[in-house]
Amino acid sequence: DVVLTQTPPTLLATIGQSVSISCRSSQSLLHSNGNTYLNWLLQRTGQSPQPLIYLVSKLESGVPNRFSGSGSGTDFTLKISGVEAEDLGVYYCMQFTHYPFTFGSGTKLEIK
Amino acid sequence: AVQLVESGGGLVQPKESLKISCAASGFTFSNAAMYWVRQAPGKGLEWVARIRTKPNNYATYYADSVKGRFTISRDDSKSMVYLQMDNLKTEDTAMYYCTAEGGSPFDYWGQGVMVTVSS
Repeated sequence: DVVLTQTPPTLLATIGQSVSISCRSSQSLLHSNGNTYLNWLLQRTGQSPQPLIYLVSKLESGVPNRFSGSGSGTDFTLKISGVEAEDLGVYYCMQFTHYPFTFGSGTKLEIK
Repeated sequence: AVQLVESGGGLVQPKESLKISCAASGFTFSNAAMYWVRQAPGKGLEWVARIRTKPNNYATYYADSVKGRFTISRDDSKSMVYLQMDNLKTEDTAMYYCTAEGGSPFDYWGQGVMVTVSS
């Protein structure tokens, strides 16, 4: 199975600070069709996960453009440029290039 | 607006069966692959199952942890997706989320339904 390693496990940020979360895969997520199926989701406390980014860097509809995704192959990054209070929660990367689909272990973003 | 509403959760004993459902609305259900994802209490997310669309022969895929015990199915006429869970184990205790493909897989998520397996 593909293992997604997220770092850091916890992130403490002040409002307005820019932060990055890393997601490293145990194998390349480049599909034979040329797509890289790596998504980012945010789960706020007590809520369902909500998608933020798909195909590494494409912003989901309605997601603020302070969120951005980058990377390729096995190394991926989610960046928040100017954290806001509503951004707190647990961030997950997930891959669906290979079966079984897998999730990272999550990064908890806390606001100072 | 897109809605996914799960139902049918509850408390069951080990080795028993349970069927959970998900009612979809607000999008063309028959064109969307559907998924179940679960989350054990205090833990991370785990993909459980996927069912594709009619043109893809309703192909199904499962996590190894549930293969042979869980069955995903869909009824396009009712915009419903189901998860039949047999021979339940205590480690199946989790919140089960129904998710749907929009422009991308896992675009839409329900609020979840709790399944507790305990004697």
